[in-house]
Amino acid sequence: AQSVTQLDSQVPVFEEAPVELRCNYSSSVSVYLFWYVQYPNQGLQLLLKYLSGSTLVKGINGFEAEFNKSQTSFHLRKPSVHISDTAEYFCAVSVRDYKLSFGAGTTVTVRA
Amino acid sequence: GAVVSQHPSWVICKSGTSVKIECRSLDFQATTMFWYRQFPKQSLMLMATSNEGSKATYEQGVEKDKFLINHASLTLSTLTVTSAHPEDSSFYICSARVLGEQYFGPGTRLTVT
Repeated sequence: AQSVTQLDSQVPVFEEAPVELRCNYSSSVSVYLFWYVQYPNQGLQLLLKYLSGSTLVKGINGFEAEFNKSQTSFHLRKPSVHISDTAEYFCAVSVRDYKLSFGAGTTVTVRA
Repeated sequence: GAVVSQHPSWVICKSGTSVKIECRSLDFQATTMFWYRQFPKQSLMLMATSNEGSKATYEQGVEKDKFLINHASLTLSTLTVTSAHPEDSSFYICSARVLGEQYFGPGTRLTVT
């Protein structure tokens, strides 16, 4: 079975500063990796995904993530955050059965 | 893009009653839908996988008789929480899979009093 660890439960950051959210996974087989964002009382929106190919993945809203197989990591970054980026972020992993296993989530709070 | 809706978005019910939550894929057909449960400030936990025309597959620890799932068509899956109790209060989210990607509904907040 696969699992996901998000290393930071809360990340406060100032507006226009960069942010990095860390995600490590564990799996005995090849995985697909995802980052989702959840705004209060809403469902999840896909930010980006890694299925294969280039290890640097660009997503929506200026986010990007890098897949590092040797370190089993998939960290999410944004060079300059906005107040509207305040949300909960979830890293997730799946294998061929398409079932998603989610990390515990990282709360990003952007301050002016 | 693919849109998934849920109805209702918020429901309050009395202990012992049953509640049905609908999950619809609006502009695509989904042979597989997933149901998740999310407690406050926690991650999503997969409850079951719903396949059109067949019985749902439940994750370990999820009571099949309590959480009834029906996937009657390629665009609709329903989750019925039977004999609800306060501990069933939670945020329930569905997703629909198409072309290898899951699209999530906006969620349904269930409060059992």
